[in-house]
Amino acid sequence: GDSVTQMEGPVTLSEEAFLTINCTYTATGYPSLFWYVQYPGEGLQLLLKATKADDKGSNKGFEATYRKETTSFHLEKGSVQVSDSAVYFCALSDQGFAGTGGYQKVTFGTGTKLQVIP
Amino acid sequence: DAGVTQSPTHLIKTRGQQVTLRCSPKSGHDTVSWYQQALGQGPQFIFQYYEEEERQRGNFPDRFSGHQFPNYSSELNVNALLLGDSALYLCASSLELGLGYNSPLHFGNGTRLTVT
Repeated sequence: GDSVTQMEGPVTLSEEAFLTINCTYTATGYPSLFWYVQYPGEGLQLLLKATKADDKGSNKGFEATYRKETTSFHLEKGSVQVSDSAVYFCALSDQGFAGTGGYQKVTFGTGTKLQVIP
Repeated sequence: DAGVTQSPTHLIKTRGQQVTLRCSPKSGHDTVSWYQQALGQGPQFIFQYYEEEERQRGNFPDRFSGHQFPNYSSELNVNALLLGDSALYLCASSLELGLGYNSPLHFGNGTRLTVT
């Protein structure tokens, strides 16, 4: 079945440091890939997405490139801020057909907690 | 623009009891998925509803059941609660499946269920 593996945290960085959070996936089809973020006390929200190989998703200074050859979708940011402190989840979305019709199933990684210190 | 709303926000139940959680999707969305998030873990897919039907189910026992209403809102029911059911239950809505599987999920803030 589908699975997502991401680096364990917590990751602690100083403000303005470079961030990389590794994510690799296993999927039978051609999934879309996402990064979701969960800020303290808030719900999960979409950070960025990529729908096909070599696509680059970007938002709020974060970037990730869909690498089919290495089945990876690493999250990067050139200069982190204290406000980026949160838990980051890598996810893949696959669509299929079963019984009465189509479905969309999203598989998440275990999350990586990022703490940015001033 | 109303986002995904879930109720209640917190709930404490005793082993063996039954619980019902509720979700209203984001305006314009008609597909609802439920996820279980244990402490320190990523969300685990429970099931997805579209057109009032369960379209897909994750690896959860039959004690977990759901329903979707004509207004697209949804309920998650859990029977015979176990201590291990303690978790954050997340509802997520999205656009109709026919628009493709790159439709992102919009999450509610969840219901924190504690089973004692």
